[in-house]
Amino acid sequence: AQSVTQLDSHVSVSEGTPVLLRCNYSSSYSPSLFWYVQHPNKGLQLLLKYTSAATLVKGINGFEAEFKKSETSFHLTKPSAHMSDAAEYFCVVTHTGGFKTIFGAGTRLFVKA
Amino acid sequence: GAGVSQSPSNKVTEKGKDVELRCDPISGHTALYWYRQRLGQGLEFLIYFQGNSAPDKSGLPSDRFSAERTGESVSTLTIQRTQQEDSAVYLCASSLAFSVQGPNEQFFGPGTRLTVL
Repeated sequence: AQSVTQLDSHVSVSEGTPVLLRCNYSSSYSPSLFWYVQHPNKGLQLLLKYTSAATLVKGINGFEAEFKKSETSFHLTKPSAHMSDAAEYFCVVTHTGGFKTIFGAGTRLFVKA
Repeated sequence: GAGVSQSPSNKVTEKGKDVELRCDPISGHTALYWYRQRLGQGLEFLIYFQGNSAPDKSGLPSDRFSAERTGESVSTLTIQRTQQEDSAVYLCASSLAFSVQGPNEQFFGPGTRLTVL
């Protein structure tokens, strides 16, 4: 069975400070992991994905995530937050060769000026 | 090119009525997903289509929910005898078929906001 847990429902940071959005997963198979972002009144957009290649994955807009198998984690980071990063972020797991896609409950990121 | 489109964008219905939601995937995308997103929550997987293979219906919450897709084209999600708890945004996504590296990026439509009175 697969599951994904986003450890924080809300994260608030100041502009220019680092961002850390935490995600832990559970998968009986070799997982594929994604982060998607949902801006207000906009559709979901892929930030980055891990599919068993390099464990440090770089995405769009300066975001990156590191796959840590021993910790079953796939945390999303960014060195310096921008106001435009304020949105809802979803961690997603599926297993390579599988179809069912499991979304986390989401983390809402607030960025203060 | 055109993205994933969904219609209607909003649907208000009375409890007990049937509704049909439509999704037009990106041309050439063989995989199609339906999700439900309740207010303030994450996406709940409903059903997955891949080409002409049997769909994965494991996420459908009850037998009131059904979906069809003909080939690699339009899909319809039907909810019979709607209940108030069916109120949500219903999202459709499409993607290319799986590669050897695993699943591909899903491209999402704008969603249909369903309100059951």
